Amino acid sequence: GAVVSQHPSWVICKSGTSVKIECRSLDFQATTMFWYRQFPKQSLMLMATSNEGSKATYEQGVEKDKFLINHASLTLSTLTVTSAHPEDSSFYICSASDDFKTQYFGPGTRLLVL
Amino acid sequence: GENVEQHPSTLSVQEGDSAVIKCTYSDSASNYFPWYKQELGKRPQLIIDIRSNVGEKKDQRIAVTLNKTAKHFSLHITETQPEDSAVYFCAASSGNTPLVFGKGTRLSVIA
Repeated sequence: GAVVSQHPSWVICKSGTSVKIECRSLDFQATTMFWYRQFPKQSLMLMATSNEGSKATYEQGVEKDKFLINHASLTLSTLTVTSAHPEDSSFYICSASDDFKTQYFGPGTRLLVL
Repeated sequence: GENVEQHPSTLSVQEGDSAVIKCTYSDSASNYFPWYKQELGKRPQLIIDIRSNVGEKKDQRIAVTLNKTAKHFSLHITETQPEDSAVYFCAASSGNTPLVFGKGTRLSVIA
């Protein structure tokens, strides 16, 4: 159990375009979803926490207008990187939880902005 | 807020030997301590976790110990195998706040 999917697995885009990443909990209802960014050989950096039906809580230093998060249902959260630039290239991983503690991670999305 | 320190950053062991990774945390309210294993390019996988009402937990070759007084917890892997090679992350949470991760330990098991 506790399967989380993420789509797409990788994306290459031109600078200035927007990219949407989907995170789905497949076999449980995720009251909370988390979005992380991971640069090579570094730890997981929490970007934001989203609860179904409410606005996401962003970590300090993360621009909410650049990284739009929508958690429309108990099984789906989306992250949109707006006007992506090369410095946004990274590995984006979501996780889902039904108790705010145990987190199950998606497979990640590798974003490359040219 | 919570701060989690993890040591060492890299660890090499011979196959069959034990590996120990240590983490300290700062928030005495933290009560949940999971460990994740991440292979290159893949998602972090929960391998074991411990809650503050328990001092030790074991699952086959993996064990975690928690010292609440000292605010530190450790991951122990016995009889290491090459497939144990990965990056391991510790984390801590009070349950009302998101997990805070350590910087990770790159474990290499040499055959």
